[in-house]
Amino acid sequence: LAKTTQPISMDSYEGQEVNITCSHNNIATNDYITWYQQFPSQGPRFIIQGYKTKVTNEVASLFIPADRKSSTLSLPRVSLSDTAVYYCLVGNGGFKTIFGAGTRLFVKA
Amino acid sequence: GAVVSQHPSRVICKSGTSVKIECRSLDFQATTMFWYRQFPKQSLMLMATSNEGSKATYEQGVEKDKFLINHASLTLSTLTVTSAHPEDSSFYICSARGGDRNQPQHFGDGTRLSIL
Repeated sequence: LAKTTQPISMDSYEGQEVNITCSHNNIATNDYITWYQQFPSQGPRFIIQGYKTKVTNEVASLFIPADRKSSTLSLPRVSLSDTAVYYCLVGNGGFKTIFGAGTRLFVKA
Repeated sequence: GAVVSQHPSRVICKSGTSVKIECRSLDFQATTMFWYRQFPKQSLMLMATSNEGSKATYEQGVEKDKFLINHASLTLSTLTVTSAHPEDSSFYICSARGGDRNQPQHFGDGTRLSIL
């Protein structure tokens, strides 16, 4: 199982772009990278998933370098409601998903 | 799309009671469902993985006789905490994934279980 390492916490201000990087040095060839957001007392919510290069959707972008040993979740112009814990997961459907510690993002006014 | 409904959202009961939590995929067929447990300020801990029609695979340290999992259909999985005790109090979260193994999991909103 590919282990992931993320910063424990990050602070930002409203309107700023936030980039959260996840390290996954032993990612396997068929592993995908998936990011989730979790608010207190709620289940995680899917944000974005990618395999390589760049993926963008309506809420975030995911940047994956060629060696795939890390990935960066980019949240454009964060708001107070983006304060949450963000989890980076690496794996494929054939294996169980192990959650790391996640990154607590705190957005200030 | 990809909605997972978990019920109940909160349960408070006496020690010794058995509690059943339901997890339903509302708009897709969930080939695989997962059950997690989360303590305050901690990450999610995988308890077991279940495939429709098969016995669940439990993680090390999770008692299968304590936490009964049934995945009888492609849209429903249940977790029963048998003879619950205060140490079983936690936040339980289910997730579901469709037939494409590279698709992400989709999570329910969790069940807060409090055993008095």
